[in-house]
Amino acid sequence: SQQGEEDPQALSIQEGENATMNCSYKTSINNLQWYRQNSGRGLVHLILIRSNEREKHSGRLRVTLDTSKKSSSLLITASRAADTASYFCATAGVGDYKLSFGAGTTVTVRA
Amino acid sequence: KAGVTQTPRYLIKTRGQQVTLSCSPISGHRSVSWYQQTPGQGLQFLFEYFSETQRNKGNFPGRFSGRQFSNSRSEMNVSTLELGDSALYLCASSLSAGTGDEKLFFGSGTQLSVL
Repeated sequence: SQQGEEDPQALSIQEGENATMNCSYKTSINNLQWYRQNSGRGLVHLILIRSNEREKHSGRLRVTLDTSKKSSSLLITASRAADTASYFCATAGVGDYKLSFGAGTTVTVRA
Repeated sequence: KAGVTQTPRYLIKTRGQQVTLSCSPISGHRSVSWYQQTPGQGLQFLFEYFSETQRNKGNFPGRFSGRQFSNSRSEMNVSTLELGDSALYLCASSLSAGTGDEKLFFGSGTQLSVL
């Protein structure tokens, strides 16, 4: 079963707007990761946030983590057409040695 | 440094056949993980290998198997193919054992179609 679940399933925004997606997970984690996948290709790692961190930035990406609510959010600011992709959160439970991925959020950025 | 290489990129098989997929990790990476991706089920973990040993296994039937060689290259095999095995099979490598604390580097995948 999947550890993380993303919300919404799909998102359509205008270029220049911000995109926000959420991830909820079930068990305690050491860290949470976000990946991007362009259509039919492999996943690319975006950012890793540890359980003792609340917020992390990388370029136009901002990730938050709320361990009390078992949730994370990914914000993409000033979106571009190249941001069109599916975004996945991934977690490994404490003592678990594999990454489990959510079903993903498909983001479409309209020109 | 070359990325993760998966071959073949596309594969068409018929029910009942078997298939072998190959994955070459990034040089120096010793852990290789395999995932199955389908539109309905998302990414499902198949197995993970580290130093030629299977460290983790997902909930897949015994028809799905894999191995890792001394050079860290990995293969996965699916026997007696079923229509439901049609999927994108993704391989990912990382430096050490898949503790979940490391980022994974993915290949472009092998798109398997079972007719």
